Amino acid sequence: GQQVMQIPQYQHVQEGEDFTTYCNSSTTLSNIQWYKQRPGGHPVFLIQLVKSGEVKKQKRLTFQFGEAKKNSSLHITATQTTDVGTYFCAGPRYGQNFVFGPGTRLSVLP
Amino acid sequence: NAGVTQTPKFQVLKTGQSMTLQCAQDMNHEYMSWYRQDPGMGLRLIHYSVGAGITDQGEVPNGYNVSRSTTEDFPLRLLSAAPSQTSVYFCASRPQGLTSYEQYFGPGTRLTVT
Repeated sequence: GQQVMQIPQYQHVQEGEDFTTYCNSSTTLSNIQWYKQRPGGHPVFLIQLVKSGEVKKQKRLTFQFGEAKKNSSLHITATQTTDVGTYFCAGPRYGQNFVFGPGTRLSVLP
Repeated sequence: NAGVTQTPKFQVLKTGQSMTLQCAQDMNHEYMSWYRQDPGMGLRLIHYSVGAGITDQGEVPNGYNVSRSTTEDFPLRLLSAAPSQTSVYFCASRPQGLTSYEQYFGPGTRLTVT
């Protein structure tokens, strides 16, 4: 079945360093979503990408959707301690459902 | 709006016990779903519903039942709890339609089965 993979599984950075997580799908995606989950919290929607090659920015966060619509990335510039959490990508599966990647856990050392 | 609410927040069960996890939303969303989250495995879909009276299985439905009698409520029932069902359970909802697939998650229920 459809799989969504993410790398790395964990990332430790010093505050102020940049961070990137990558999401890869075994099939072409019509769209891709990104969520953030703070420790002990619940996933919170960040963004949805729809178009091939699309790039969207939210302050220090930059999201990209690959030209082939099989991969995506989330880049955070100059990380802050508030960026700590797990970042998930999710792609559509059968019906109206989404399949989530395993997530990348980011820790930021002050 | 309260958004998506879940009760209880924590629960400990013995093997073989049954219980119901409650989920409610006040956003009039037609689509609701249940996920379980285990370390290193992301969120896996258990059951979902596209409207009152309509439910279907997700990726990991075994051992769980759902019903959807109203738009607001989507309870998840564990029929006979097993240690493998120890997990964090999230309920989510979103508007129906092609233009918006953003999911709103509840705060979660942490379940331990001993």
